[in-house]
Amino acid sequence: QVTLRESGPALVKPTQTLTLTCSFSGFSLTTSGMCVSWIRQPPGKALEWLARIDWDDDTYYSTSLKTRLTISKDTSKNQVVLTMTNMDPVDSATYYCTRSYAYAIDYWGQGTRVTVSS
Amino acid sequence: DVVMTQSPDSLAVSLGERATINCKSSQSVFYSSYNKSYLAWYQQKPGQPPSLIIYWASTRESGVPDRFSGSGSGTDFTLTISSLQAEDVAVYYCQQYYTTPWTFGQGTKVEIK
Repeated sequence: QVTLRESGPALVKPTQTLTLTCSFSGFSLTTSGMCVSWIRQPPGKALEWLARIDWDDDTYYSTSLKTRLTISKDTSKNQVVLTMTNMDPVDSATYYCTRSYAYAIDYWGQGTRVTVSS
Repeated sequence: DVVMTQSPDSLAVSLGERATINCKSSQSVFYSSYNKSYLAWYQQKPGQPPSLIIYWASTRESGVPDRFSGSGSGTDFTLTISSLQAEDVAVYYCQQYYTTPWTFGQGTKVEIK
């Protein structure tokens, strides 16, 4: 079955770079039409799509955050990595790794909570 | 970016009654070549990640009860819960996957009256 698991630091300091890893199983990111996205949700607030990487290595980013984000994949390890630079307290949120296969987001990880504080 | 606007922000419905949530996109998310609207609905219960309930605007995800239905095309969409059950208390989000960046509505909180 499809599973996704996010990992990374729970606490980062302002101005630091956040690196999150999504480890997945049950599918291959080499399959045509497959994509992995990162989505975040500040406490009590709405979902915000951040970035996506596709089976063919195409990448897409949030308009407002694209200068701070990098998404990459390691298909041999079944992992997708998201880096976000210059972290700020407003970036405190639960970060979700998700899968889409030619349509909507059909699988979500449980999320990892990140707090930005000095 | 395509802006997704949901209404209302919250609603309280009696058990067994109908709940209706609207979602409007700032531009059409209908892809004529495939005759599909690239619109999904998600349900998020407290403390859980969202889960997909409707895609292509009106196709129910496997395992989703048939009291959930989606309708609409182009820029205006509706999620209907025909007979609200206690387990349907959640926040519901619409999302367009027609174009990147993908975007979500602000969410609609459904409670029991």
